[in-house]
Amino acid sequence: AQSVSQHNHHVILSEAASLELGCNYSYGGTVNLFWYVQYPGQHLQLLLKYFSGDPLVKGIKGFEAEFIKSKFSFNLRKPSVQWSDTAEYFCAVNAHTGRRALTFGSGTRLQVQP
Amino acid sequence: GAGVSQSPSNKVTEKGKDVELRCDPISGHTALYWYRQRLGQGLEFLIYFQGNSAPDKSGLPSDRFSAERTGESVSTLTIQRTQQEDSAVYLCASSLGGVGTGELFFGEGSRLTVL
Repeated sequence: AQSVSQHNHHVILSEAASLELGCNYSYGGTVNLFWYVQYPGQHLQLLLKYFSGDPLVKGIKGFEAEFIKSKFSFNLRKPSVQWSDTAEYFCAVNAHTGRRALTFGSGTRLQVQP
Repeated sequence: GAGVSQSPSNKVTEKGKDVELRCDPISGHTALYWYRQRLGQGLEFLIYFQGNSAPDKSGLPSDRFSAERTGESVSTLTIQRTQQEDSAVYLCASSLGGVGTGELFFGEGSRLTVL
């Protein structure tokens, strides 16, 4: 069964600091990978996704993620965070076989201090 | 509406009562998902509907949980004989085609509190 691990549960950064949130998945086959974000008081929304092709994926608001197949990782990065990036971030995976719904990680709460 | 709509937004119930949670997906979306999010935890998959295919019920935690979907429209999640551990936010999402074809659009969720 597919699973997703997010090792950083709570991250506190100052504005302009660089961000990297870890995401590892356990599934040996072909996968689709996603990062979702939930801003305070809002619903979950897609930040970026990887289906195939260039393993470096760019999303909204300056976020990017790199798929490293050999490490089963899909880490989220941003060079310079803003206060408005304060939110909870969820990594998710969908395997091409088996369950056809997304499996989510436990989430990382990011707090950006002005 | 333009997005996924869920009702009620908040529900407080007594232990042992039955509850129904409703989800209106985005029009034209063939896939519909229910997830549960307990306080401080990630999203837990419950059930997935895709068109006229048999639903994937593999995430339902017990036989007290059931869900139905009418065609490609409204879905209802029913929890019978609620327990305190059922307290959570229940999230509904829909997508155009299966999840492998694109993103999930989430509703605001229904917060269930079982006293």
